Amino acid sequence: GAGVSQSPRYKVAKRGQDVALRCDPISGHVSLFWYQQALGQGPEFLTYFQNEAQLDKSGLPSDRFFAERPEGSVSTLKIQRTQQEDSAVYLCASSSPGLAGKNIQYFGAGTRLSVL
Amino acid sequence: AQSVTQLGSHVSVSEGALVLLRCNYSSSVPPYLFWYVQYPNQGLQLLLKYTSAATLVKGINGFEAEFKKSETSFHLTKPSAHMSDAAEYFCAVTSELGWGKLQFGAGTQVVVTP
Repeated sequence: GAGVSQSPRYKVAKRGQDVALRCDPISGHVSLFWYQQALGQGPEFLTYFQNEAQLDKSGLPSDRFFAERPEGSVSTLKIQRTQQEDSAVYLCASSSPGLAGKNIQYFGAGTRLSVL
Repeated sequence: AQSVTQLGSHVSVSEGALVLLRCNYSSSVPPYLFWYVQYPNQGLQLLLKYTSAATLVKGINGFEAEFKKSETSFHLTKPSAHMSDAAEYFCAVTSELGWGKLQFGAGTQVVVTP
């Protein structure tokens, strides 16, 4: 596809359920980021992959959050035992190889997670 | 550590009037600065970026921003607002360090009135 694709677009989970959010980055993009955007806030960094290597997971809020990118392309963000405070939009972004800071990050439309 | 402050969570402008969105940053290393726009139920779209070249940066849809190191600012402007400019705008900072992860401001919601 031409852009970053995220699925599902909307997810409703009961508290305590596990959820999995998928991100298909732009083909050939080495870098992949996950951000969490709470209602009325700016996105906050969760984790970063360079190819299949997870190089930074400093933003993951708890050990209930887990991300993977096993083949260096599609990534999955998994949240175990969801809590109400996990309700947010989860954004995925990818960027091309090169000097990381200067590269444009292309964002998907996000997955809106609502935990009841 | 890096951070961004956007002054004003909501801005209302008349169609045809100047749009001015304020962004101040804090960074201990030379920053790279970005403005993104977010329409309802959509992802973030890049408007423009500053990566240490020209300090006056022109972006899409008639927007521009000026990097002022002495004021640690990167304010976004557009001479004449259109109805289609109604959206939320985010300023973000990163650097050569930290893999390029973006630190975002809280956002400014722009309303355009006829």
